[in-house]
Amino acid sequence: NAGVTQTPKFQVLKTGQSMTLQCAQDMNHNSMYWYRQDPGMGLRLIYYSASEGTTDKGEVPNGYNVSRLNKREFSLRLESAAPSQTSVYFCASCDFSWSTEAFFGQGTRLTVV
Amino acid sequence: AQTVTQSQPEMSVQEAETVTLSCTYDTSESNYYLFWYKQPPSRQMILVIRQEAYKQQNATENRFSVNFQKAAKSFSLKISDSQLGDTAMYFCAFMRGSGNTPLVFGKGTRLSVIA
Repeated sequence: NAGVTQTPKFQVLKTGQSMTLQCAQDMNHNSMYWYRQDPGMGLRLIYYSASEGTTDKGEVPNGYNVSRLNKREFSLRLESAAPSQTSVYFCASCDFSWSTEAFFGQGTRLTVV
Repeated sequence: AQTVTQSQPEMSVQEAETVTLSCTYDTSESNYYLFWYKQPPSRQMILVIRQEAYKQQNATENRFSVNFQKAAKSFSLKISDSQLGDTAMYFCAFMRGSGNTPLVFGKGTRLSVIA
């Protein structure tokens, strides 16, 4: 049981480059989330998808786009990376209908130079 | 909007001792859930304990227990018999009870357990 799988685990980008962070879950969860973690800031919500076909902005959506490709997959895209997007990114999933526990991927450490 | 505040950026405790991490939150919701997550150096987010707001009894999980004061909007975590493996970042989090809503996190408390 893989749970939540994020790829890649590490990435270095140059300013202005684009990339997509991939996330997949195998628990048949309805809801999926993208957070970023910065020192002293906790985890802040970027975007979330309450169910397949829907997405909503979180606290810090600027500079990001998301796609809920199907029930399993939720990707995060940086169209033009900026140094301020250097962070650790976490994907998570949850299904409120049977449990309030959110499951997290192992994180992606992204550095923009 | 809900907010979660952890006022202790760093704490330390001697092995085998007891430590309490503080958390306060602000919400106008009546139905919600509160959580403590642990993040060890591996970066993995691990659920430690959860509390349903409608339950008056404080949740416990082995050496971990909470003091949930609903009127004061306080949700502290007590770790008894601290172990070296408890060294980690601890995040307090809030979730509305009205559907598939995201977790709102505090800024975290870095706990060091000293041998």
